[in-house]
Amino acid sequence: QQQVKQSPQSLIVQKGGISIINCAYENTAFDYFPWYQQFPGKGPALLIAIRPDVSEKKEGRFTISFNKSAKQFSLHIMDSQPGDSATYFCAASKSDYQLIWGAGTKLIIKP
Amino acid sequence: ETGVTQSPTHLIKTRGQQVTLRCSSQSGHNTVSWYQQALGQGPQFIFQYYREEENGRGNFPPRFSGLQFPNYSSELNVNALELDDSALYLCASSFQGRQETQYFGPGTRLLVL
Repeated sequence: QQQVKQSPQSLIVQKGGISIINCAYENTAFDYFPWYQQFPGKGPALLIAIRPDVSEKKEGRFTISFNKSAKQFSLHIMDSQPGDSATYFCAASKSDYQLIWGAGTKLIIKP
Repeated sequence: ETGVTQSPTHLIKTRGQQVTLRCSSQSGHNTVSWYQQALGQGPQFIFQYYREEENGRGNFPPRFSGLQFPNYSSELNVNALELDDSALYLCASSFQGRQETQYFGPGTRLLVL
């Protein structure tokens, strides 16, 4: 019940395209769903996060879509750029307690 | 760049040895969390420290221990190192443990031979 399943494992998108990464969770008590971006040799950096009282949150080119009934959430990157090439992690937590992380998606944006 | 720093950046140890990793938190943050990230995987929560006390622990054995100091910096100690302990160890600081305020350091890469 603690797992967060992330897909795909890797993704190649053309510059200017839309990148979509999906996550599914089991524990209905989770109330915080962040996405992190990690570049090689760096720690993860918070990209965008959502709480279950809203179904969508947008920050610039990054959008989280949240489906509470399906227990799924996804990250959409619009107008993907080569600088977006990184590993993306979804995560979930309950009441600000420990984050449970997905396995990561390696995103490559082709110029 | 975040204000979270970690030392050393890289470390090589042999099985059975002990290691201490250090973390300085971002200014204004009073909570430190430690994570282990194996190659190609997401981080796994080890434990969290708040006001110098352990405030939650993941599924890690007691040979993983920690400290938080009055200036909110922290240490992670691992005794009796095993080959599977080879990983990137990440420290993250936050204010009152609030996830939205959490910033990660660059990590310490530990290799156990």
